[in-house]
Amino acid sequence: QKEVEQNSGPLSVPEGAIASLNCTYSDRVSQSFFWYRQYSGKSPELIMSIYSNGDKEDGRFTAQLNKASQYVSLLIRDSQPSDSATYLCAVLMYSGGGADGLTFGKGTHLIIQP
Amino acid sequence: DAMVIQNPRYQVTQFGKPVTLSCSQTLNHNVMYWYQQKSSQAPKLLFHYYDKDFNNEADTPDNFQSRRPNTSFCFLDIRSPGLGDAAMYLCATSRGQFTDTQYFGPGTRLTVL
Repeated sequence: QKEVEQNSGPLSVPEGAIASLNCTYSDRVSQSFFWYRQYSGKSPELIMSIYSNGDKEDGRFTAQLNKASQYVSLLIRDSQPSDSATYLCAVLMYSGGGADGLTFGKGTHLIIQP
Repeated sequence: DAMVIQNPRYQVTQFGKPVTLSCSQTLNHNVMYWYQQKSSQAPKLLFHYYDKDFNNEADTPDNFQSRRPNTSFCFLDIRSPGLGDAAMYLCATSRGQFTDTQYFGPGTRLTVL
């Protein structure tokens, strides 16, 4: 069973602090990883993609990938109330026939407290 | 602006009454996907088209069908909706199959009475 695991939260973080969101995945050969933000009642919006081990920074967002540990994380610096949303981790899974598609975690509900 | 459009945004149907959801894209992407997302759950891939090639997920019920008459449009048909089919239906597109970033439309919220 190929899975993507996230802590559902809610994760409560004070405004201006760093929010840290974590994700683990079961497929050792996965190569592509994505973080989506989803506001209540809306569709997912891409925040970051990461393909190589290490850190990738884009503005206030940093994605971190450790393939050996099968772990990917998202850091949000200087958290703002508008960052309050559900964050979905998505991993491209593979089988013997090739790519199977994106498997999403259930998401972490983040609340930024003013 | 290039985008993914879904119509209608909200759909109400009766138990067992067929319904069709629509997705169109101006991105000229090769791949179009349909996901089902129930409350507080992860999006679940139902099927996707790579150009005209249809790929059905193994656990997608037969009640769900799809059509892609051209590059720009893709439809989701639910032949006999049940109460358990109430969900947000998300259309997404990507340039290449899976490895490229997927861009989502705004979704259609389906209610089954």
